[in-house]
Amino acid sequence: EAQVTQNPRYLITVTGKKLTVTCSQNMNHEYMSWYRQDPGLGLRQIYYSMNVEVTDKGDVPEGYKVSRKEKRNFPLILESPSPNQTSLYFCASKYSRDHNEQFFGPGTRLTVL
Amino acid sequence: GENVEQHPSTLSVQEGDSAVIKCTYSDSASNYFPWYKQELGKRPQLIIDIRSNVGEKKDQRIAVTLNKTAKHFSLHITETQPEDSAVYFCAASRDQKVTFGTGTKLQVIP
Repeated sequence: EAQVTQNPRYLITVTGKKLTVTCSQNMNHEYMSWYRQDPGLGLRQIYYSMNVEVTDKGDVPEGYKVSRKEKRNFPLILESPSPNQTSLYFCASKYSRDHNEQFFGPGTRLTVL
Repeated sequence: GENVEQHPSTLSVQEGDSAVIKCTYSDSASNYFPWYKQELGKRPQLIIDIRSNVGEKKDQRIAVTLNKTAKHFSLHITETQPEDSAVYFCAASRDQKVTFGTGTKLQVIP
């Protein structure tokens, strides 16, 4: 089944404890992206990647890192999480830059205490 | 950077009526405008989109219009049904960067 998966789906952690949220897609998509969703703010793009070893900042990259060592994986890294990073995170992918539809993962709800 | 404003934030309509959601954007270089539907507890799903070289696009009960000069685009849902109840997001995109509006919660009253 073609899909985007994220792990974990739920995470409660404490300030300063490094964490990684994984994202994987099995559709051979070139483009992958991370968003955070907060009430009243909609979805905001954190980072995106147009292919292996190619990443770029979205609108809210501060406090986050990403890597794209393999085509299928695009992990989101929080080196020192803070309470203002408590949010619902979505990973998304699409076939290439010239294709329109992004497919979203199921979301990861992160709480930083 | 791009700024997308979306109105209204909430919208209630009677079943069978039409619903219209409007968005404005600031970056004239944005060239792709998708609309997403997000049901409660679910992931966003693309329902319709339009590129900047097209003024209108329709898919059954859903249509999107784009006015590049005024930098605004709208979602039109006709003959609304209870299953249309959800949060709808507009977005504007250029060079693979995507900026979303803040969402419209649509409630269709049976």
